[in-house]
Order: sequence, then structure tokens, then C-alpha cells
Amino acid sequence: EAQVTQNPRYLITVTGKKLTVTCSQNMNHEYMSWYRQDPGLGLRQIYYSMNVEVTDKGDVPEGYKVSRKEKRNFPLILESPSPNQTSLYFCASSFRKETQYFGPGTRLLVL
Amino acid sequence: GQSLEQPSEVTAVEGAIVQINCTYQTSGFYGLSWYQQHDGGAPTFLSYNALDGLEETGRFSSFLSRSDSYGYLLLQELQMKDSASYFCAVRGSGNTGKLIFGQGTTLQVKP
Repeated sequence: EAQVTQNPRYLITVTGKKLTVTCSQNMNHEYMSWYRQDPGLGLRQIYYSMNVEVTDKGDVPEGYKVSRKEKRNFPLILESPSPNQTSLYFCASSFRKETQYFGPGTRLLVL
Repeated sequence: GQSLEQPSEVTAVEGAIVQINCTYQTSGFYGLSWYQQHDGGAPTFLSYNALDGLEETGRFSSFLSRSDSYGYLLLQELQMKDSASYFCAVRGSGNTGKLIFGQGTTLQVKP
């Protein structure tokens, strides 16, 4: 089954404790992206990757890192999480940037 | 900069037709996409318009007018399951992977 998977789905952590949210797709897509969703603000792009070893900033990259060492995986790293990074995070992938497949989401609470 | 505007809420009755508008401002236009998101779920791709005119997919249609920087999503024969948030999205300026989403329109379908 074609899908985008994210882990974990739910995470509660404390300020400053490094964490990684994994994202994997099995559709051989070149394009992958991370978004955060907050009430009233819609989806905001954090980082995207056009291909392996090619990443670039979206609209809200501060406090986040990404890597793309393999085509299927695109992890999101929070080196020192802060409460303002509490949010719902989505990973997405696609052949064409405008038609994305989204993962199920990761709810993050930073205390 | 790039921005999209859509109404925050729309209410309609089951069986009716509803139109959700989206106006955009962007330098370098590559097309308008629409996504549906049910409460607590992941966004799912609905349609994409790169050229002016109407694209039809079952009960859903999407329209684009590039000269007016305007598009809309048309939902016909509304069903209760259509209650969801709907987002329009455009690619950011330049041929990059940046994507900008509108803040979303919450559609409530009443019996």
C-alpha cells in the first residue's frame, strides 16, 4: 500500500530534550516536505527536499533541522525543543509538488 | 510576498452546492491546489489547476482564473461527510519546492 508513515504519532517531551520525528514513504517520490499546523494558522512549511541530499527552508525553519540521506526517509530534528514548537506536524511526499500525499501527523507537546 | 485568502467558515445543507473561494498573491504562478482535511486527520489532495477553467472530479470541481488571481472549489450534492476543512495552496515564487497554504475554510454541512 502506498503510504507516508510518521513516528511517533504522539509525543510529550520537555524543553531542551532533543527529539527526532521520522518520516518514510514507499512511493519513490523525490519531493518531501514537513509542515506544522496550528489553530488559525493553517499549514506552514518548515523544510522541503527536492531529492537526496537536497534540502531547503520553508516559511518557518527556525528551531528545526532535516536531513535526506535516502530517498524514502526525511526525518525532522528538534535539537532543543521549546514550548512554542508544540504543534501538529505533517510529513508529505509527491512526484509533483502541487499534489502531495500527507502522513498521519505527529502531535507534539513540549512542556 | 505570497499570500492566499479564503473564507474561514461556510455552512450549507445536505444536498446543496457550495463554493469555496480562494484569492492569491504570488510572483510566478504554477497552479492552484486544493486539499481536504477532516478533523484530526491528514490533508488529502483533491484537485489541481494549472490552466484557466474548470476541472471536474466527481462531485468536486475546481476553477481557476489566472487573470483574476482567483480560484474556487465547488462541491455538489453535499453529504454530511463533506464537513471538513478545505485548503487552497500555491507554489512559492521561483521554481522551488516552497508551498504556501491558505488558512483553510471550515465547511459545516447540516442535515
